[in-house]
Amino acid sequence: DAKTTQPPSMDCAEGRAANLPCNHSTISGNEYVYWYRQIHSQGPQYIIHGLKNNETNEMASLIITEDRKSSTLILPHATLRDTAVYYCIVFPLEYGNKLVFGAGTILRVKS
Amino acid sequence: DTAVSQTPKYLVTQMGNDKSIKCEQNLGHDTMYWYKQDSKKFLKIMFSYNNKELIINETVPNRFSPKSPDKAHLNLHINSLELGDSAVYFCASRDHRGSGDTQYFGPGTRLTVL
Repeated sequence: DAKTTQPPSMDCAEGRAANLPCNHSTISGNEYVYWYRQIHSQGPQYIIHGLKNNETNEMASLIITEDRKSSTLILPHATLRDTAVYYCIVFPLEYGNKLVFGAGTILRVKS
Repeated sequence: DTAVSQTPKYLVTQMGNDKSIKCEQNLGHDTMYWYKQDSKKFLKIMFSYNNKELIINETVPNRFSPKSPDKAHLNLHINSLELGDSAVYFCASRDHRGSGDTQYFGPGTRLTVL
């Protein structure tokens, strides 16, 4: 079972920041927070991950609360191509572990 | 250059047939996976191989048999296909170098069993 809770859907205006929340209140100390997305009919795509600190890359920023019980994925300037299902996953970096995908959040970017 | 490729992209077949889906990655990764995404869109892991060795085997019917001839290939053979096998099957490979553990997914194979 997924160990995260995400809203089922969100809308965002094109050009605005999209803030996608994720609750992972039972996260363990050795578990990372990963974000993937799946654009319609394509394979999932890695976005970003983090352990404690906030992270930023060319796609997005990840803000993790100090108690690590929740996080927010930020797409700073959403475009229509960012319309997708976004998955928040907690994942221990140990040999043999597996990604467990939940239902994710459907993000609709509208012009 | 395609990182993770799957063939075929679409597969339509009759119940009871045997079929195979092929997956290849050119990323030099040691670990590969098969996932199944059903009509309700839930994505679930089926198998994982590391250097041709099976390391994850979820509760999957034994009609499904993965085969890894080398670490760049992980094929999925399905015997006696059933209606419930209709789904999109994704192959993935894993990069666990550095501080990350990122999986790269193929484009998927849409299997339809009639």
